[in-house]
Amino acid sequence: EPEVTQTPSHQVTQMGQEVILRCVPISNHLYFYWYRQILGQKVEFLVSFYNNEISEKSEIFDDQFSVERPDGSNFTLKIRSTKLEDSAMYFCASLPKGRNTEAFFGQGTRLTVV
Amino acid sequence: AQTVTQSQPEMSVQEAETVTLSCTYDTSESDYYLFWYKQPPSRQMILVIRQEAYKQQNATENRFSVNFQKAAKSFSLKISDSQLGDAAMYFCAYRLYSGGGADGLTFGKGTHLIIQP
Repeated sequence: EPEVTQTPSHQVTQMGQEVILRCVPISNHLYFYWYRQILGQKVEFLVSFYNNEISEKSEIFDDQFSVERPDGSNFTLKIRSTKLEDSAMYFCASLPKGRNTEAFFGQGTRLTVV
Repeated sequence: AQTVTQSQPEMSVQEAETVTLSCTYDTSESDYYLFWYKQPPSRQMILVIRQEAYKQQNATENRFSVNFQKAAKSFSLKISDSQLGDAAMYFCAYRLYSGGGADGLTFGKGTHLIIQP
């Protein structure tokens, strides 16, 4: 069964450093998403991406965040200058075209900022 | 903006019994989807069940069923014959259908389900 793959599974970084979280969505999916879950809290929408551009973004997705689909298969989330409060689980998800579909989630990347 | 409310931070049920998890939502839209996701300790997000708002019939998936009350904006999940493997966080989620797929999911805060052996 096709699946969304995220790497790395766990990333530890120093405050102020840049990190790139990587995702390989399911190959025939057209819509891509990043979500964040701070430990013990709910899952929060960050951004959606379609046709090589951002479709929608939340208030959390400020100028320190960016997304890219550099090569037609990978979908990345970059955090330019990490803060302690960026420590969270980051989930990538993808969705095929069509009305009656649901998002498929990756297993998540746990980001720890120290 | 849409909101999703899960009023039960934690629920406990005996193995083999039935439990119902509550979810209410607020939206001014008429065409949307509702979901229940399960998150075990591994923190993987696993889809349990989906409901399209335009369908009156309640969705069912084996031991899992929903009670969708559109007018009341209520979407509860019933788990029958609870099993130890059902223990997890359960998140209710909403997604608007705006003709495409770009709208993100809005999640509730989750209900921690404990299964007592």
